[in-house]
Amino acid sequence: GQNIDQPTEMTATEGAIVQINCTYQTSGFNGLFWYQQHAGEAPTFLSYNVLDGLEEKGRFSSFLSRSKGYSYLLLKELQMKDSASYLCVPRDSNYQLIWGAGTKLIIKP
Amino acid sequence: IAGITQAPTSQILAAGRRMTLRCTQDMRHNAMYWYRQDLGLGLRLIHYSNTAGTTGKGEVPDGYSVSRANTDDFPLTLASAVPSQTSVYFCASSDSGTRPNTGELFFGEGSRLTVL
Repeated sequence: GQNIDQPTEMTATEGAIVQINCTYQTSGFNGLFWYQQHAGEAPTFLSYNVLDGLEEKGRFSSFLSRSKGYSYLLLKELQMKDSASYLCVPRDSNYQLIWGAGTKLIIKP
Repeated sequence: IAGITQAPTSQILAAGRRMTLRCTQDMRHNAMYWYRQDLGLGLRLIHYSNTAGTTGKGEVPDGYSVSRANTDDFPLTLASAVPSQTSVYFCASSDSGTRPNTGELFFGEGSRLTVL
């Protein structure tokens, strides 16, 4: 079957760095997305990886290892507004997105 | 710049009633999607449309129908609502369909539906 494994919840301190890990199993692979979802709001796109390596975008970076079925999202210089759920979303060989419940990140002052 | 507009934002509905959730996008995206999100669960795909005039079933299509008469509009209809359809419904669009480019999804703000 297809599945995603992420921590249910993480806590970090304002100004710090946090890494959210994701392992996945899919039927084939056609890229992996990270989305941010604030409580009561819609998901918004953060990053996309299709090749191995690190993609950097401002305070956020995303890493992919296809051979290990592994990705992480790195958030630097954490701000209170980063409190949200972070969704690791791989895409399978049929271009179907696989959604999990995500990781709820709590930022403390 | 509107992006994707959903209506209504919130609705309480009696079981057995018919309900249509509206979704309109102004980005000329070819692909559109309807998801539901329940507490503690990931998004689940209800129906999708890769291009105007075509639709397909997602993971949880039972009790729902869609139409795609044109590029911009993708309404979701509950023919006879049941309490298990209480959920938050998100409409989304992308410019890829099944093409192998990024294909990030753009979401509407969601429609919170309660069926009593």
